[in-house]
Amino acid sequence: SQTIHQWPATLVQPVGSPLSLECTVEGTSNPNLYWYRQAAGRGLQLLFYSVGIGQISSEVPQNLSASRPQDRQFILSSKKLLLSDSGFYLCAWSVAWNEQFFGPGTRLTVL
Amino acid sequence: DQQVKQNSPSLSVQEGRISILNCDYTNSMFDYFLWYKKYPAEGPTFLISISSIKDKNEDGRFTVFLNKSAKHLSLHIVPSQPGDSAVYFCAARVMEYGNKLVFGAGTILRVKS
Repeated sequence: SQTIHQWPATLVQPVGSPLSLECTVEGTSNPNLYWYRQAAGRGLQLLFYSVGIGQISSEVPQNLSASRPQDRQFILSSKKLLLSDSGFYLCAWSVAWNEQFFGPGTRLTVL
Repeated sequence: DQQVKQNSPSLSVQEGRISILNCDYTNSMFDYFLWYKKYPAEGPTFLISISSIKDKNEDGRFTVFLNKSAKHLSLHIVPSQPGDSAVYFCAARVMEYGNKLVFGAGTILRVKS
């Protein structure tokens, strides 16, 4: 069966510090991968998606970037965090046109 | 531009009764709709979906109805259980590159025992 991992589960970072969140998927090949952010009291906003290694599409302009160095690995990064980057970050995967399945999420607090 | 709207931020229902969660959309190109359930500090869990060529899909206690002319869908939970208390997100897909979903803001469901 397929599983998706995200780490860390929680993170507290100072403004201006770098960020690296990692997501890995097991049990499937060539998945579509997604990064979402849920701000407090709001819905899920798609940040990035990837249909293959090295292929990244950005949905909204922001202070973040994403990379996919391996088929089942998706990384969310920032060089300098802003207060507004705080939120709950979710990684998801799908195969072809099927449903997306989400990881457990990372709670990021920028102080 | 909110293409998927869940206008009720919260809903409170008595255990055993029906819960009805509503969702409206504006993009007529959406071809597939999904409902996700989310507990605090966890990722959303897929619940049920419906293709735009259907008007109803049922899975156990969960039924999703789609009214294309009204651009409206709803999730019915019968009977409601306390464990159903969570945030429910409606999502819609345009069949295009990347299989992307657009999510509503969510509705908090509280089932009282």
